[in-house]
Amino acid sequence: QKEVEQNSGPLSVPEGAIASLNCTYSDRGSQSFFWYRQYSGKSPELIMFIYSNGDKEDGRFTAQLNKASQYVSLLIRDSQPSDSATYLCAVGSNFGNEKLTFGTGTRLTIIP
Amino acid sequence: SAVISQKPSRDICQRGTSLTIQCQVDSQVTMMFWYRQQPGQSLTLIATANQGSEATYESGFVIDKFPISRPNLTFSTLTVSNLSPEDSSIYLCSVLEAGGYNEQFFGPGTRLTVL
Repeated sequence: QKEVEQNSGPLSVPEGAIASLNCTYSDRGSQSFFWYRQYSGKSPELIMFIYSNGDKEDGRFTAQLNKASQYVSLLIRDSQPSDSATYLCAVGSNFGNEKLTFGTGTRLTIIP
Repeated sequence: SAVISQKPSRDICQRGTSLTIQCQVDSQVTMMFWYRQQPGQSLTLIATANQGSEATYESGFVIDKFPISRPNLTFSTLTVSNLSPEDSSIYLCSVLEAGGYNEQFFGPGTRLTVL
């Protein structure tokens, strides 16, 4: 059974600091990795995806993937109070036609 | 990305009744999925809605309880049948667009409360 593990938090980070969110997965055949942000009472919003080992940067967000260690992370630089949300890690096995397995999410709170 | 709408946004239902949730997309998509998110929990996939054929259900979910239709490439319905308080949850549809890899985009969700 495919598993995706996240620290549930809550993770508290001062405003302006770097928030680091981590995720591990069990299926070594996984090929696609996603980070979703979910505000309370809202649906998940895709913020980053990564397929290759290494780093991928988009604005204040950086996704990091290490397939050998089965580990994916999300860094948020210059954290803002608006970044306070639950972050869901999701993993897929095949491109284009495969369902995703979601982690339980990490609740992030940015402290002003 | 595609614009996804769901109806109703929320509902309160009596035990033993059924609720049908609609998911409409403004463009054709390759795949549509239905998820459940129970309070304080992550997302659990109910089924993949297949266009023109029976949905593919995940372990623990059955067609009699969660019948799904997908008559075309932009629309799907999920019915939650014979409701019990344990069915109180948020139900979300998601879509996978043509030309993408595996990125799924979610509708706004339907909040169901069963009394």
